[in-house]
Order: sequence, then C-alpha cells, then structure tokens
Amino acid sequence: AQSVTQPDIHITVSEGASLELRCNYSYGATPYLFWYVQSPGQGLQLLLKYFSGDTLVQGIKGFEAEFKRSQSSFNLRKPSVHWSDAAEYFCAVAQFKAAGNKLTFGGGTRVLVKP
Amino acid sequence: NAGVTQTPKFRILKIGQSMTLQCTQDMNHNYMYWYRQDPGMGLKLIYYSVGAGITDKGEVPNGYNVSRSTTEDFPLRLELAAPSQTSVYFCASSKRGLDEQYFGPGTRLTVT
Repeated sequence: AQSVTQPDIHITVSEGASLELRCNYSYGATPYLFWYVQSPGQGLQLLLKYFSGDTLVQGIKGFEAEFKRSQSSFNLRKPSVHWSDAAEYFCAVAQFKAAGNKLTFGGGTRVLVKP
Repeated sequence: NAGVTQTPKFRILKIGQSMTLQCTQDMNHNYMYWYRQDPGMGLKLIYYSVGAGITDKGEVPNGYNVSRSTTEDFPLRLELAAPSQTSVYFCASSKRGLDEQYFGPGTRLTVT
C-alpha cells in the first residue's frame, strides 16, 4: 500500500528566510503527487501537483516542489517566507483504484513564521 | 459559486447520539470524499463516492455511513457517537478523482 511521510512535524522559520518541507512517498508506479496548505480554521487548498514531465513544479503563492524518483521525495520550497505562510502543509499521493481514485495524505508539517 | 459547503460548523454530541453531517458541492463534480482530521495524523479517508448511487469505504469507515442520491450532496451519518469520533471532518470534491480536490471549511465535532 502506498504511504506518505512528512518527517518534520513542526518547523519554525524567520520571515524572509527560505523554507523547505520534506515529503517521502512509497508507491509502486509513477506517482501523482500533491501539496496542500491549510490555514488555521480553514479547509485545504492545493498549492501544486506533479503528474509527469518537468520534475520541478511551480505552484501558487511562490511555492515550488521537486520530484526526485531516486529518493522517493517531493520536497516543497519557498525562497522567502512571508508571515502569511504560517499554516499546516500536507503532501499527498494519488492512488489508482478500479473502484475510484483517491489520495493518501501525510501527517502534515506545521510552519511557524517568526517576525 | 459556493464550492463545497458543510453544515454544521460545530457540534457537540453525547455518547450514543446520532447525527448527519451535510456536504453539498455546486461544481458538478463526480467524486466526493469525507475525511477526518486528528492532530498530527493528517487526513484519513472515511468514505468516498465516484458518482450518484456509488459509494465505497476508505481507511476508517467504522461507525459511519454515507449515501449519494444526487451529484451535489454527500451526507455523512454517525450512528451511536463515541468519543473516538471527536475530530474535524472535511468534505471534498473533484471532477475526475486525480485532479485537484476542493475542500469544505470543515465541521468540528466533539463527543462527550
């Protein structure tokens, strides 16, 4: 069965500094990968997704992610963090099933931004 | 365009009570999902549906039931509520199941 691991439960970063969130997946075939963000008290919003092609994917809010098949990773990055980036971030992998496709989510990484 | 709406926003139940969490989407999406979110555990899939009249279990279906009589609505039923069902519940929808999922604002449920 596929799985997603986000090794960092919490990350604290200073405003203006760079941010990298780690995501490792386990999946037998070529994965469909996603990063979602959840602001406090809100539902999840898609940041970016990788299906195929260029392994460096650009998303909304200045985020990017790089797919590395050899490392089974899909890490999320932002060069300069803003206070509004304080949120919880979830990595997810899509599972293909005859009964219907669905996502498996990692445990999430909570990002705190210091002024 | 309201997207995915969920009601209620908050609810407190006593052990053994039942309730229905409502979810409606106005995007004509085929796929709909129910997740629960517990601290540090990410989102766990409870049930999902690939279209009206078709539902299937996710990772954690015990204690829940669903129905999908229309494309728009996907209610989640809790029978005999237990403290272990204290959680935040999210409904989501997507067009084809592999594309972006759109999430509702969530329902915070406490069972005491």
